[in-house]
Amino acid sequence: AQKVTQAQTEISVVEKEDVTLDCVYETRDTTYYLFWYKQPPSGELVFLIRRNSFDEQNEISGRYSWNFQKSTSSFNFTITASQVVDSAVYFCALSEPGGRRALTFGSGTRLQVQP
Amino acid sequence: AAGVIQSPRHLIKEKRETATLKCYPIPRHDTVYWYQQGPGQDPQFLISFYEKMQSDKGSIPDRFSAQQFSDYHSELNMSSLELGDSALYFCASSWGRGLNTGELFFGEGSRLTVL
Repeated sequence: AQKVTQAQTEISVVEKEDVTLDCVYETRDTTYYLFWYKQPPSGELVFLIRRNSFDEQNEISGRYSWNFQKSTSSFNFTITASQVVDSAVYFCALSEPGGRRALTFGSGTRLQVQP
Repeated sequence: AAGVIQSPRHLIKEKRETATLKCYPIPRHDTVYWYQQGPGQDPQFLISFYEKMQSDKGSIPDRFSAQQFSDYHSELNMSSLELGDSALYFCASSWGRGLNTGELFFGEGSRLTVL
């Protein structure tokens, strides 16, 4: 069975601090995709990144960076110099096997960035 | 660019009533997914359609049904509504069925409140 664990329920930081959101996953598949989505207070799900299981290169996009480590089944997300607009719930997700591509979501981490 | 369109955005129903949610995928996307997100919960996969055929089924109650039409839009029908059905319902669409794509684009969600 697939499982995504986001152990941090809620994180509060002050603006300009760096913050890392943890994601640990379980899967028996050798081929899979990992995702991060942002859900701001308005409710929509905003796609941030997709990473396939064969690509362990870290990725940086502006203030966002992702660290994928297959050896520890982790796909952590770091926001550098956080801003108030980063306040949201962040979900890590895993694609399911067999070409379904329905996603299994973690329980989410609520990030509050205080001014 | 066109996104996934969901309607209505908000819906209030009484217990035991019926509700229908609509989803218009991104043009040329052939796969539609429905997710249910309860208050404070992560999105749970309900059902998906590929080329107008049911592709996979998740935790969709028997009281719910869905279909994808010839123009690729999809409708989620919910009958005998219960208080626990109050949730944000997301539709997502993607192109292609294999794992090579893997990116789901989500709509802004339809918020159903059952009184």
